[in-house]
Amino acid sequence: AQRVTQPEKLLSVFKGAPVELKCNYSYSGSPELFWYVQYSRQRLQLLLRHISRESIKGFTADLNKGETSFHLKKPFAQEEDSAMYYCALLGGATNKLIFGTGTLLAVQP
Amino acid sequence: NAGVTQTPKFQVLKTGQSMTLQCAQDMNHEYMSWYRQDPGMGLRLIHYSVGAGITDQGEVPNGYNVSRSTTEDFPLRLLSAAPSQTSVYFCASSSTGTGNTIYFGEGSWLTVV
Repeated sequence: AQRVTQPEKLLSVFKGAPVELKCNYSYSGSPELFWYVQYSRQRLQLLLRHISRESIKGFTADLNKGETSFHLKKPFAQEEDSAMYYCALLGGATNKLIFGTGTLLAVQP
Repeated sequence: NAGVTQTPKFQVLKTGQSMTLQCAQDMNHEYMSWYRQDPGMGLRLIHYSVGAGITDQGEVPNGYNVSRSTTEDFPLRLLSAAPSQTSVYFCASSSTGTGNTIYFGEGSWLTVV
C-alpha cells in the first residue's frame, strides 16, 4: 500500500537551531517525493521535490531508498519558517498525491 | 494568470443543505482534484479528474459528487451536508505526466452545523 508517514505532529525549535522534519514512505515502485509548505491560512506551496535535488529557502531533502525516507532539513531555522509541512508521494500513472499528516514547525525567537 | 481559483472562501451550512464548491484553473491543466484537510489527518483525496468528461473517486468520496464538463472547471457538490463534512477543502490542478508541479487553490473553509 502507498503510504506517507510523518511521525511528528509538532516540532518546536529555537531560531538558529537545526531542523529535521521526518518523512517515511511505503511504495512498491520508484516514488516521486515532495515537500509542501502551508503558511498560516494560505494555500499549499511546493517547497521542493526529490528529482530536482535543489535547495529552497535553505531547506534540502535527500531520498534514501534503503530507509524509505525523505527527511527535510535546514541547518539554521528562521522564525519565518514556522508553518505546516507536508510530505507527499506521487504514485502511479495519475497525478494523485498521497500526503502525510503534516508536521507543524514552530520556530521560537 | 490567476492559477487555481476556489469559491467561496468561507461557508456555513445547515445539516441537510446542499452546496457546490467551485474550482477553476486557467493553465489548461488536464488533471484536477479535490482534497479535504482535517487536523491530524493531513490532506485526503476526495475525487479527481484526468480530463474533461473523466472523473474518479479518491480516498474519501462518500457524500461528494463531481463533474468535469470543461477543462477549466471542476466543481465539488455536497448533496446533503453533514457535520462530518466540516473541513477545509483544497482544489488542485496539474498537467498530466510525471514531474509536473501540482498547484493548489487557496482553500474553502466549510462549517456544517
